[in-house]
Amino acid sequence: EALLVQSGGGVVQPGESLRLSCEASGFSIGTYAVAWVRQSPGKGLEWVSAISGSGNVTYYADSVKARFTVSRDNSEKTIFLEMTNLRVDDTAVYYCTRGPGHWFDPWGQGILVTVCS
Amino acid sequence: QSALSQPASMSGSPGQSITISCTGSTNGFDDDDYVSWYQQHPGKAPRLILYEVSHRPSRVSDRFSGSKSGNTAYLTISGLLAEDEADYFCSSQIDITVLFGRGTRLTVL
Repeated sequence: EALLVQSGGGVVQPGESLRLSCEASGFSIGTYAVAWVRQSPGKGLEWVSAISGSGNVTYYADSVKARFTVSRDNSEKTIFLEMTNLRVDDTAVYYCTRGPGHWFDPWGQGILVTVCS
Repeated sequence: QSALSQPASMSGSPGQSITISCTGSTNGFDDDDYVSWYQQHPGKAPRLILYEVSHRPSRVSDRFSGSKSGNTAYLTISGLLAEDEADYFCSSQIDITVLFGRGTRLTVL
């Protein structure tokens, strides 16, 4: 069974940085793209970033471009989201999710990132 | 602005059928077959229930079905059960653009 387990997150002040991790198991990680999706009460689900199976291609939403960096270590079966210069409106539950096609399955359990002063 | 519009809330009684709509305003949505649907229970992660409009993962009950006409996709849940009470999100992916609807809260009365 494909499974994604997330770690990282927490409470930071505006301008600070945080790194999220997403450990995959139960499937050949290098075969699949992985995306990050966040959910905040005011905005619903928002696609944030994605990385190809090889890690050679990355994508970002305009709202996080130049501040967030997605990467992966397939040998460690882990995908990372490095978030810098965090803003209050980055506060959300962040999910990593596998993209086998034009859909997302499965999803990690989610991790809360709170940015406040 | 591109968007996927869903009703904020719907309700139904056990055993009934309900249909949730998802209307896209983005260019290409009417030709797009890359519509997926997700179920989310409170405090839980979203779960895929339909992909490519009407395809269902093997683990998902056949009470869930999907269709699309023009710029509107539909999720139908038949034989409502109490466990179907959840939020439902549609999603569309065109090229590298991924959109989600704001979600429909389904209440099973």
